[in-house]
Amino acid sequence: SAVISQKPSRDICQRGTSLTIQCQVDSQVTMMFWYRQQPGQSLTLIATANQGSEATYESGFVIDKFPISRPNLTFSTLTVSNMSPEDSSIYLCSVEIGWNTEAFFGQGTRLTVV
Amino acid sequence: GIQVEQSPPDLILQEGANSTLRCNFSDSVNNLQWFHQNPWGQLINLFYIPSGTKQNGRLSATTVATERYSLLYISSSQTTDSGVYFCAVFTGGGNKLTFGTGTQLKVEL
Repeated sequence: SAVISQKPSRDICQRGTSLTIQCQVDSQVTMMFWYRQQPGQSLTLIATANQGSEATYESGFVIDKFPISRPNLTFSTLTVSNMSPEDSSIYLCSVEIGWNTEAFFGQGTRLTVV
Repeated sequence: GIQVEQSPPDLILQEGANSTLRCNFSDSVNNLQWFHQNPWGQLINLFYIPSGTKQNGRLSATTVATERYSLLYISSSQTTDSGVYFCAVFTGGGNKLTFGTGTQLKVEL
């Protein structure tokens, strides 16, 4: 298994600002992912955070809005840029230790944009 | 892409009752997980179950991959079982999870 620390756990932000969410894992992991969960909805994958290269984004998500960094095998950040109330969601990071193995999630960041 | 449907969407139980949650998926999958999302939004791993049956205390799960469904059984439910239950599948195109629609469970005294 993996222990994942995600910060902040919650935040209230003004529209037009940006928030950076951090995800720290207690061991080196191959795969890191970022998901969004809009209110009352299921989880949707935003992007795969690749170590040493640009993130791979899913359809409907773009780098300018959700820039991602992954400087090493234990850490990643997701920035939500130029926020609007529609960005109010829970954002979660996920890790998998190896290919096609069990996924583990951080505790999530509950973001409210006002 | 693959579709993952869960039923029922909502469920209210009296404490001590048993329930079965279902997850149907539209295509072959490499693996499947069940999660419980607590009221604070945290996802708790319940089962990693590509096929067969697993049990953990009052919970058990069965996946029949050839028929494209999985079942989660909750016995002797408790108020702490309340929350949203998600299944999620791994597909052949990568190591990414596609989540189901979720089942909102409320257990009452």
